[in-house]
Amino acid sequence: DTAVSQTPKYLVTQMGNDKSIKCEQNLGHDTMYWYKQDSKKFLKIMFSYNNKELIINETVPNRFSPKSPDKAHLNLHINSLELGDSAVYFCASSPLRVAGNTIYFGEGSWLTVV
Amino acid sequence: DQQVKQNSPSLSVQEGRISILNCDYTNSMFDYFLWYKKYPAEGPTFLISISSIKDKNEDGRFTVFLNKSAKHLSLHIVPSQPGDSAVYFCAASVWRDAGKSTFGDGTTLTVKP
Repeated sequence: DTAVSQTPKYLVTQMGNDKSIKCEQNLGHDTMYWYKQDSKKFLKIMFSYNNKELIINETVPNRFSPKSPDKAHLNLHINSLELGDSAVYFCASSPLRVAGNTIYFGEGSWLTVV
Repeated sequence: DQQVKQNSPSLSVQEGRISILNCDYTNSMFDYFLWYKKYPAEGPTFLISISSIKDKNEDGRFTVFLNKSAKHLSLHIVPSQPGDSAVYFCAASVWRDAGKSTFGDGTTLTVKP
């Protein structure tokens, strides 16, 4: 019973395409995130939503647009894909934004842009 | 500007011995530190954390040490087991915003039987 699930797990697509990665958490958490792990293995936060409200939007191209239809879902839509978008994208959630809570990660979505 | 660094990309130890993974940070605002463990094709999972009011936190075989003056923390695994073989990420945040953690680039630990 996966706590944070994201689909697809693997995605190979051509430059210029538009793609979406879906994420759902069944932990009842209020906050959800998207992290990107690039070729240098760094995990960097992209977005954070708290109860469907955008809280964090790091310096991410506006081709990336998160959508949160409800607090259990945070989808990532990427327009006009570029080669540099190839990475592993992790969805995550946490109980609250504050007070030292840990983050629960999904298994990752491997995006390859060719 | 890499605020959290794990200078050893890999570490290999014998089963039963101690594994010591190191992490350095530069931002003095960080007051909460976490270690995550990641197996291939899986997401990172939380392992252990420490707040800046402590210098040590222990959980079973895992102990995290924090040296605030040196801006350094370490994870000790004793005794190491083959199942501990994974990538270990150090992360740092402000206590009130632990979701916005800054991660190091990981250390791959291999525990040999």
